[in-house]
Amino acid sequence: AQKITQTQPGMFVQEKEAVTLDCTYDTSDQSYGLFWYKQPSSGEMIFLIYQGSYDEQNATEGRYSLNFQKARKSANLVISASQLGDSAMYFCAMREGTQGGSEKLVFGKGMKLTVNP
Amino acid sequence: GAVVSQHPSWVICKSGTSVKIECRSLDFQATTMFWYRQFPKQSLMLMATSNEGSKATYEQGVEKDKFLINHASLTLSTLTVTSAHPEDSSFYICSARGGTSGEQYFGPGTRLTVT
Repeated sequence: AQKITQTQPGMFVQEKEAVTLDCTYDTSDQSYGLFWYKQPSSGEMIFLIYQGSYDEQNATEGRYSLNFQKARKSANLVISASQLGDSAMYFCAMREGTQGGSEKLVFGKGMKLTVNP
Repeated sequence: GAVVSQHPSWVICKSGTSVKIECRSLDFQATTMFWYRQFPKQSLMLMATSNEGSKATYEQGVEKDKFLINHASLTLSTLTVTSAHPEDSSFYICSARGGTSGEQYFGPGTRLTVT
């Protein structure tokens, strides 16, 4: 079964608007971590934001916030005030188990975001 | 901090030859390094996990005799693609776990083309 699901293959957004990138996950572990990475055309994986399963507050990092709905097993990324430089592939990933235990990351298929001027 | 480098950034080799890719953690010690492969327009697939001083753990379906991994020190892991074939052409990305947070930091990737 797919552990990380990103159903949107691509999205377009106008510059300065907010956009939500969807991610749902599947795990039976109580302890896990959720990540979002950005991959521009250069190929580098850029870490954006992290949410631990026990974190009560939604994670925020500048213009990025993670809408964590544990019961629904969703971890959507919200980018506020989109910029042209946000155009890239975005990957949702999950690490199962506690930090220091299993460190493997499982990635979703990714989605392409295009910000239009 | 937490910078990971890869060398080379791109390489073209002939079918049947071997090519080595280096992954270095520049400002921290990485007890664990991970090697991923990414085909065009696809996601990252974990190939193997390497721990310093021990044998790598390969994911199911990854040939350990073809993709040799050596984690010789706390700052260097190498991936050698032996007897490369055109279907090995891909983007190879490493990540390193370490530092105080234990998070994974990714290298910039190596694009391998086998002709």
